[in-house]
Amino acid sequence: QVQLQESGPGLVHPSETLSLSCAVSGYSIINYYWSWIRQPPGKGLEWIGYLYHSGSANYNPSLKSRVTLSIDRSKNQFSLKLSSVTAADTAVYYCARVSPGSGNYYFDYWGQGTLVTVSS
Amino acid sequence: QLVLTQSPSASASLGASVKLTCTLSSGHSSNAIAWHQQQPEKGPRYLMKLNSDGSHSKGDGIPDRFSGSSSGAERYLTISSLQSEDEADYYCQTWGTGTVVFGGGTKLTVL
Repeated sequence: QVQLQESGPGLVHPSETLSLSCAVSGYSIINYYWSWIRQPPGKGLEWIGYLYHSGSANYNPSLKSRVTLSIDRSKNQFSLKLSSVTAADTAVYYCARVSPGSGNYYFDYWGQGTLVTVSS
Repeated sequence: QLVLTQSPSASASLGASVKLTCTLSSGHSSNAIAWHQQQPEKGPRYLMKLNSDGSHSKGDGIPDRFSGSSSGAERYLTISSLQSEDEADYYCQTWGTGTVVFGGGTKLTVL
């Protein structure tokens, strides 16, 4: 059973960089794609991006200029950095595993989520 | 453009059945989708992957009460024998070349 756990600051100041990590247990991070999704308060889900264990990544075009995803194989975890944040980036951030299988890009395991508030 | 459309809300009585709809945008009617459930104050949970031919594969521990079907560009999630814990938001999700898209979600109320 895959378990994912997000961690990082719950408060980020405007214009700064939001940094979150997702620790994966129960499965090796190798040979899978991993993703970040967010949900502003009271709103729906928004895909941020996904990356492969090799480090290759795809991003939501609306966030691409501000997002960096990275992976740490030694710690079996992956990370999100979102720069130049504003109040609009306030959301619950989820990490998730992309289901294995050629051409499949849906999420079969999710973390519990972590709320990040952008405020001065 | 790849877009998923869901009705904002649905309701059904305890013990009854309900069918939720997710519609793929023009030109994408062959896409598979995934259904996810989000109970109040919880993270999403994967329910199933649903193919264009109606075949589907469910996630770990998902009850038989949850099933999927397809017709053209429409993808359906049917929940039978509704229970109080089925009251939740339901999101469909699909993918294209280098992109992932979510529907706006349907809030299901169990009466």
